[in-house]
Amino acid sequence: DTAVSQTPKYLVTQMGNDKSIKCEQNLGHDTMYWYKQDSKKFLKIMFSYNNKELIINETVPNRFSPKSPDKAHLNLHINSLELGDSAVYFCASSQSTGNGEKLFFGSGTQLSVL
Amino acid sequence: TQLLEQSPQFLSIQEGENLTVYCNSSSVFSSLQWYRQEPGEGPVLLVTVVTGGEVKKLKRLTFQFGDARKDSSLHITAAQPGDTGLYLCAGANNDMRFGAGTRLTVKP
Repeated sequence: DTAVSQTPKYLVTQMGNDKSIKCEQNLGHDTMYWYKQDSKKFLKIMFSYNNKELIINETVPNRFSPKSPDKAHLNLHINSLELGDSAVYFCASSQSTGNGEKLFFGSGTQLSVL
Repeated sequence: TQLLEQSPQFLSIQEGENLTVYCNSSSVFSSLQWYRQEPGEGPVLLVTVVTGGEVKKLKRLTFQFGDARKDSSLHITAAQPGDTGLYLCAGANNDMRFGAGTRLTVKP
């Protein structure tokens, strides 16, 4: 019954590899997000999708490519992984894009690039 | 440069003590939220404040939004070990921007 679920929970991989993180929400929300939390716990928005349309694309390397097959799913694919990509990646959703909307977060994917 | 500055970064106190953590910005926000994050989990929303000067209470937690809607504070009365966690503030304009958090440890 998890509202926002992301897999895998842990991902350990070598530099240069390509990996994907999947996210699904069963709340019927229109908007989904990817956030990156670094070792200092700073949570930074990467992407935002509303009804499968990209609405926020922060200054993120184009090695990161989000894909939203439907409004309940937002997957994150990362090409040519680098050491600096190591972080915890959180998927989140909200009812809409309105200001002050409550964000529902997944439990995170801890990515370690060796 | 972070949009939202939270202070202190770390706070360790004994059970029963009171504490206040701060969230400051030079930007005006349409609303501000506080989240608590526990290890291995995503942040969970505690409160949203919308009006300048607004005060909201959630049991032993009191949240205040600054009059100019640029800052906020979270006061915890009689802290308990269960309050331990990372407290994040997030300001809303076109999207939600987070501060780096205050890591609170409450010792029994």
